Amino acid sequence: EVQLVESGGGLVQPGGSLRLSCAAAGFTFSTIAMSWVRQAPGKGLEWVSAIGGSGVSIYYADSVKGRFTISRDNSKNTLYLQMNSLRAEDTAVYYCAKAGGSSHYNGFDSWGQGTMVTVSS
Amino acid sequence: DIQMTQSPSSVSASVGDRVTITCRASQGISSWLAWYQQKPGKAPKSLIYAASSLQSGVPSRFSGSGSGTDFTLTISSLQPEDFATYYCQQTNSFPMTFGQGTRLEMK
Repeated sequence: EVQLVESGGGLVQPGGSLRLSCAAAGFTFSTIAMSWVRQAPGKGLEWVSAIGGSGVSIYYADSVKGRFTISRDNSKNTLYLQMNSLRAEDTAVYYCAKAGGSSHYNGFDSWGQGTMVTVSS
Repeated sequence: DIQMTQSPSSVSASVGDRVTITCRASQGISSWLAWYQQKPGKAPKSLIYAASSLQSGVPSRFSGSGSGTDFTLTISSLQPEDFATYYCQQTNSFPMTFGQGTRLEMK
């Protein structure tokens, strides 16, 4: 059974930093592309960032480019999102999502439960 | 960026009804479209990928169709557990983008 467990969310001041983690189990992590998707309170889904299985291919939404960094440690089956220069508009539930294969063409077939990030003074 | 537009934004229906939700892409995306279901306070659940392929474990009353720019999600006979918000997502190119969501409410 696929399991994705996010952690690292919390309250942070504007301009601050936070690192999210997503521990994966139940599949061959190193062969699967992964993404982060967020959802602001009462709003829709927004894709944030994606990374290929080897960690070489990386993509970002314009809204986070230059501030967020996605990475993965395949030896630990863990996905990360380093978030710097946080803004109030980054406040959201952050989900990690497993792609349905080595690429993202087939969308996401599994999601974590989400971790809440609140940016406020 | 490819814009995804869903219609309607909300729909009211009854158990047993047939419901269709439409998703339109601002440019052609072949069949690279996914559909998700989300209930309040829960993570999204994957329903359909590649426009018409059902994810494992998803009931057969859900179906998807379309290619190019126009896509539909159909629920053939609504069940009580189907009342939720539905999102489409284009997976053709980065940045991957979602539709704004369609809220399916009980009439």
